[in-house]
Amino acid sequence: AQRVTQPEKLLSVFKGAPVELKCNYSYSGSPELFWYVQYSRQRLQLLLRHISRESIKGFTADLNKGETSFHLKKPFAQEEDSAMYYCALNSGGYQKVTFGIGTKLQVIP
Amino acid sequence: GAVVSQHPSWVICKSGTSVKIECRSLDFQATTMFWYRQFPKQSLMLMATSNEGSKATYEQGVEKDKFLINHASLTLSTLTVTSAHPEDSSFYICSATSPRGPYTGELFFGEGSRLTVL
Repeated sequence: AQRVTQPEKLLSVFKGAPVELKCNYSYSGSPELFWYVQYSRQRLQLLLRHISRESIKGFTADLNKGETSFHLKKPFAQEEDSAMYYCALNSGGYQKVTFGIGTKLQVIP
Repeated sequence: GAVVSQHPSWVICKSGTSVKIECRSLDFQATTMFWYRQFPKQSLMLMATSNEGSKATYEQGVEKDKFLINHASLTLSTLTVTSAHPEDSSFYICSATSPRGPYTGELFFGEGSRLTVL
């Protein structure tokens, strides 16, 4: 069975500091991984996916199959980055997505 | 972009009554929709996967007679909480995806529906 682990429930960083939100996964097949973000009082939305290899709002995430990780990184945190971040694993032919417990990122001014 | 809309956003009901929550994909056809429950400060808990034209697949521990899911069309899925009790009070969220078109693999979320059972 697939599993997504986000070890930190809360991550507080100062504005301008680097950010790394950790995500590890367990899946026997070929994983498709995503990061979703939920800003205050807004719906969940896709931030980025590993297959697109793009940077969104300064965030990047690299799939490391050896370490089974998909950490989300940003070199300089901004106040507007404060939100809940969920790592997600897509399996079963797009029929099921497993979410991590989420990490609340708090950027301190 | 793809938009998923939930209705109602808020609902308060008396214990023992049933409540229906609608989830609509506004500008795309959603062959698969998912229903989640989110407790305060906790992650999304997948309740069931709803496929258009077939019975929903419920996750372990979710009572199918309690949470009725119908996906009668490619743009609408409904969740009915039957004989609601205070412990059913929660935030219910739907999401939709479609293997066809440009949105393959991505989930689109509704804004959520907060249910309070008195």
